Amino acid sequence: KQEVTQIPAALSVPEGENLVLNCSFTDSAIYNLQWFRQDPGKGLTSLLLIQSSQREQTSGRLNASLDKSSGRSTLYIAASQPGDSATYLCAVYLGGKLIFGQGTELSVKP
Amino acid sequence: GAGVSQSPSNKVTEKGKDVELRCDPISGHTALYWYRQSLGQGLEFLIYFQGNSAPDKSGLPSDRFSAERTGGSVSTLTIQRTQQEDSAVYLCASSLTGGGADTQYFGPGTRLTVL
Repeated sequence: KQEVTQIPAALSVPEGENLVLNCSFTDSAIYNLQWFRQDPGKGLTSLLLIQSSQREQTSGRLNASLDKSSGRSTLYIAASQPGDSATYLCAVYLGGKLIFGQGTELSVKP
Repeated sequence: GAGVSQSPSNKVTEKGKDVELRCDPISGHTALYWYRQSLGQGLEFLIYFQGNSAPDKSGLPSDRFSAERTGGSVSTLTIQRTQQEDSAVYLCASSLTGGGADTQYFGPGTRLTVL
């Protein structure tokens, strides 16, 4: 059974810091891995999608990496801003369904 | 519309009543997904549609839950004889083909409260 784990569960940093969020999964037979952002009381916003054949994807200040062999992905956020405060979720796609981690709640202090 | 829409945004019902939740996917998206987000369980997969067919219903928690999709577009999730443990946010998502290169786009969710 595929399990997805995110560490840490919560993170508080001062504005301007670079930070890394971690995601691990137990079964490497995935189609892709996606990182989402969720603001309180809102739906999910897709940030980055890494296909199983790819190693990383970049969008603006965000960079996500994928290492299938070790079952790990990281989301790197450069020069964090208060507007980055949200819950970040990683999810692996098995074909027909996403399996989500429990999320990392990020707070960026001005 | 430009994104996935869901209705109602909030639903309060009494235990034992039936509820219907609606999802309108992005136009042209053949794949549609239902998920549930609750405090204790996080985000859980419920059911997946490819066109009007549901190849994977493995996440439906009991036979009180059912879903259908008509015309390859709108989907309805029905919960019969609601229980308090059904209280959660129900999220719908759609993607272009359901393939490995697809991004899933999520709606804002329906918050269901069962009293």
